[in-house]
Amino acid sequence: QKEVEQDPGPLSVPEGAIVSLNCTYSNSAFQYFMWYRQYSRKGPELLMYTYSSGNKEDGRFTAQVDKSSKYISLFIRDSQPSDSATYLCAMELTNAGKSTFGDGTTLTVKP
Amino acid sequence: NAGVTQTPKFQVLKTGQSMTLQCAQDMNHNSMYWYRQDPGMGLRLIYYSASEGTTDKGEVPNGYNVSRLNKREFSLRLESAAPSQTSVYFCASSERTGYRIKGAFFGQGTRLTVV
Repeated sequence: QKEVEQDPGPLSVPEGAIVSLNCTYSNSAFQYFMWYRQYSRKGPELLMYTYSSGNKEDGRFTAQVDKSSKYISLFIRDSQPSDSATYLCAMELTNAGKSTFGDGTTLTVKP
Repeated sequence: NAGVTQTPKFQVLKTGQSMTLQCAQDMNHNSMYWYRQDPGMGLRLIYYSASEGTTDKGEVPNGYNVSRLNKREFSLRLESAAPSQTSVYFCASSERTGYRIKGAFFGQGTRLTVV
């Protein structure tokens, strides 16, 4: 069993929809939770990170961590065609940059 | 500001050949990493370097070696390429302080095919 499991998708939504992207994990020692966006044939870019539990908001993006359920989510409000990409969750035990990644969910936002 | 620069962008190798992937960052980050990404999968850590002069193995180090030449540069070497090493390779750098991630950046990737 993988340490980090990500909803496989692909996901297709109309423009303006609310998108929910989700990951579960098995290692309760993970403390840092990241979301990356990766456009086709590009390197990942860090969208948001959260230390421990709780919510974090940045514009249209909200990251949630529920450590009791070992479940994290990324919500995208008012989704735009420019949000079409693969979203990767990643987790770390300590703040050393040694990330364990999910396999990614590919999102398409249709105009 | 170039960020993280990887060379080459594409490479085809024959089984048994060797090559070095180059990576340089201009953000003065202490930590650098090499990941590989196989189709439909997330990234897997090959090696990382927490600071100049130090390197350590990640999840999938077999068949690879690294050199942290200075603070800017971190190279990945395949001594005897195998078809199983066909993948997209990403170099990354980051700066972490306490509980904060002050920056985390990836290069554009090197698409390597071993035939």
